[in-house]
Amino acid sequence: AQTVTQSQPEMSVQEAETVTLSCTYDTSESNYYLFWYKQPPSRQMILVIRQEAYKQQNATENRFSVNFQKAAKSFSLKISDSQLGDTAMYFCASAYNNNDMRFGAGTRLTVKP
Amino acid sequence: EPEVTQTPSHQVTQMGQEVILRCVPISNHLYFYWYRQILGQKVEFLVSFYNNEISEKSEIFDDQFSVERPDGSNFTLKIRSTKLEDSAMYFCASNIPTGGDGKLFFGSGTQLSVL
Repeated sequence: AQTVTQSQPEMSVQEAETVTLSCTYDTSESNYYLFWYKQPPSRQMILVIRQEAYKQQNATENRFSVNFQKAAKSFSLKISDSQLGDTAMYFCASAYNNNDMRFGAGTRLTVKP
Repeated sequence: EPEVTQTPSHQVTQMGQEVILRCVPISNHLYFYWYRQILGQKVEFLVSFYNNEISEKSEIFDDQFSVERPDGSNFTLKIRSTKLEDSAMYFCASNIPTGGDGKLFFGSGTQLSVL
């Protein structure tokens, strides 16, 4: 079974600063994918970034990057130069075998002006 | 970019009534999913569907729930006799499993309110 744990229910950051959201996961699979999804107040699920477990290089997407520590089963999201529009719930998720995706409980991020 | 479409965006029903939530997955996708999110809580997996049958379901997906792909484009979730605790946002998602990247494409959700 897959489990995803986000230990930070809420976080805040000043605009233009950097923030890191934590995520740990547990899986017995050797090939899997990890994701961060953003959910703004509209409740739309928006993919922020994804990482393939067999790739050692950390994924980056503009201001978003991950720190993937496979041995520690850790997958944190770093948001640089935070913007007011980054205010949202952020969900970490894992998927394997292209069959289903499991989400963490989420971290509510508030970017303060 | 292609989108997963869900209708209606908001559905209100009386407890005990049947509801059908509708989704149109992306046309060349083969795996379909339903997730739900109770307000303020995590997104929970309900069911996955492939090749016209359920491939996996969670403990939430009991006998009150069913899914169907009635034609080549729609994917529906039926709740036979709704309960107050079924009130949630229901997300449909789809992806291409073979050679895919694990990424799920989500619809914008149907907010179900059971009164």
